[in-house]
Amino acid sequence: QKEVEQNSGPLSVPEGAIASLNCTYSDRGSQSFFWYRQYSGKSPELIMSIYSNGDKEDGRFTAQLNKASQYVSLLIRDSQPSDSATYLCAGGLYNFNKFYFGSGTKLNVKP
Amino acid sequence: DAGVTQSPTHLIKTRGQQVTLRCSPKSGHDTVSWYQQALGQGPQFIFQYYEEEERQRGNFPDRFSGHQFPNYSSELNVNALLLGDSALYLCASSLAYRLSDRSGNTIYFGEGSWLTVV
Repeated sequence: QKEVEQNSGPLSVPEGAIASLNCTYSDRGSQSFFWYRQYSGKSPELIMSIYSNGDKEDGRFTAQLNKASQYVSLLIRDSQPSDSATYLCAGGLYNFNKFYFGSGTKLNVKP
Repeated sequence: DAGVTQSPTHLIKTRGQQVTLRCSPKSGHDTVSWYQQALGQGPQFIFQYYEEEERQRGNFPDRFSGHQFPNYSSELNVNALLLGDSALYLCASSLAYRLSDRSGNTIYFGEGSWLTVV
């Protein structure tokens, strides 16, 4: 079992729609969770971090964490073609000496 | 404020050769982690350095070694290169290990070093 699992996609949504990306993790000791966006040929770019159960909103992005279910999600409202990328979910300890990435979900936003 | 910087950005090596990749952490950070990202995969944790010591290691063979210098910069060395070592190598920095047992700590990535082994 992988430490962090994501559906590889691709997930296709029309421009202006809500994109919902999901992730599960296996280590109940994980403390911090992150969503990264990665464009082809580029390094991961931090979008959101979340540490407590519940929702965290930042602009068009909302991260959701449910530690009981070991589930993390990212909602992208008003999706734009520029949001088309691979989204990586990651989680681990606060000091990152155990920090695992999922294999990423490819998002396509159609104009 | 300088972010995480890595060098070189691209390099090509032959099987059996050795390679050294370099990283300078973000200003204010003194913990460096290295990741390998193969095509179509998420980054895989190689190891983490703090206070010039390897603090944690992922599932990578001893051919992968590292070093951290007093100025917090770091090197990743890979010996006896295999074709399967071809990947994007990412350096990431975060806050001081001893202060990091708290929420809010964030890890930032450099642009990466693309290694091709032929």
